[in-house]
Amino acid sequence: GDSVTQMEGPVTLSEEAFLTINCTYTATGYPSLFWYVQYPGEGLQLLLKATKADDKGSNKGFEATYRKETTSFHLEKGSVQVSDSAVYFCALSDRAGAQKLVFGQGTRLTINP
Amino acid sequence: GAVVSQHPSRVICKSGTSVKIECRSLDFQATTMFWYRQFPKQSLMLMATSNEGSKATYEQGVEKDKFLINHASLTLSTLTVTSAHPEDSSFYICSAKLTHGTSTEAFFGQGTRLTVV
Repeated sequence: GDSVTQMEGPVTLSEEAFLTINCTYTATGYPSLFWYVQYPGEGLQLLLKATKADDKGSNKGFEATYRKETTSFHLEKGSVQVSDSAVYFCALSDRAGAQKLVFGQGTRLTINP
Repeated sequence: GAVVSQHPSRVICKSGTSVKIECRSLDFQATTMFWYRQFPKQSLMLMATSNEGSKATYEQGVEKDKFLINHASLTLSTLTVTSAHPEDSSFYICSAKLTHGTSTEAFFGQGTRLTVV
């Protein structure tokens, strides 16, 4: 079945550092890919998404590019802030838009001032 | 964005009792909601798809008699963990599907931490 593998955490960085969280997937067909973020005490929020190969999703300085050839959707940010501390989940869903999501295990990110 | 409210956020119950978790879409109608479960340091795993006015669809390996799902209205789905045991302790999270135009998105509740003692 479909699966998502994420970089294991926790990840700890200093403010203004460059961030990469790796995500690879296994899926039949052509899934849509997502990054969700969960801030402490809150629900998951959609951070960005890409629905087809070579699409780049971006939001709040974060970017991820849908790479079909490497089945990857790595999350990047050029300069992180303390407020980016959260748990990040990579996920995929089928293109039919059923929104049944398959998640990676999540990566806890802590940014120190 | 759309808001999904989940209640309670934390609950502790005794073994053998039942616990009900509510998932509400506050500003939109959701014909479809999803229930996930997350074990420590593991992925969120889909348990079931909740459809308004019909029976839920359970994923393989999920006991439907243990995890009762009721989606009685377009804004409310409930998950009842019946005869809870310590191994049911987990983080449960719901999402509601919103389709607008050609776009579909899932909005999540804040989750419920269930501890069975």
